[in-house]
Amino acid sequence: KAGVTQTPRYLIKTRGQQVTLSCSPISGHRSVSWYQQTPGQGLQFLFEYFSETQRNKGNFPGRFSGRQFSNSRSEMNVSTLELGDSALYLCASTLAPSSRGNTIYFGEGSWLTVV
Amino acid sequence: AQKVTQAQTEISVVEKEDVTLDCVYETRDTTYYLFWYKQPPSGELVFLIRRNSFDEQNEISGRYSWNFQKSTSSFNFTITASQVVDSAVYFCALSGSGGVGGGFVFGPGTRLSVLP
Repeated sequence: KAGVTQTPRYLIKTRGQQVTLSCSPISGHRSVSWYQQTPGQGLQFLFEYFSETQRNKGNFPGRFSGRQFSNSRSEMNVSTLELGDSALYLCASTLAPSSRGNTIYFGEGSWLTVV
Repeated sequence: AQKVTQAQTEISVVEKEDVTLDCVYETRDTTYYLFWYKQPPSGELVFLIRRNSFDEQNEISGRYSWNFQKSTSSFNFTITASQVVDSAVYFCALSGSGGVGGGFVFGPGTRLSVLP
């Protein structure tokens, strides 16, 4: 059974640009969450989508957005990139909304560097 | 608000030693879930164990065991007879309705180095 797949794995962007990251969940999983990991702030929750609807959102500015498609694949977008957005972006999937205590399974992440 | 503390920033042990990773959590939820994840250098967080708040029975799974104590809000994780492949960053996480935006709340992680 294939795991969570994230693309691209590595990318470098310039300040002010925007970036789109993609996530394909484990087959049958309908919930996709996104997390940002930085050395200074650790792992922080960005948002969660379930059945194409955003269910939860963390404390991030509106430059961070996402969406989910009917096949449960998800994308997140960061506009007007700042140096501080350099991070590992992790996607996780689970069967039902994660707040119900379900285990979430992570992909390998997308390493974003903003220069 | 929910919070997870992992006081140990880095631990080094020699192969075959037992090692315990500490985790202390804060939550006002009566129902919540606790997890341990492992992050090797590749970046992917690998799920290890899950515990719910109403089951304090401690278990052993292979070389892994955990000690969940609600009275002290602790959820410690032990690796028995450590191996070099256990070297990674280990994260304790909390899930419940009180998390920021509803997502998992992770501790800062403990970097474990197992030396041959």
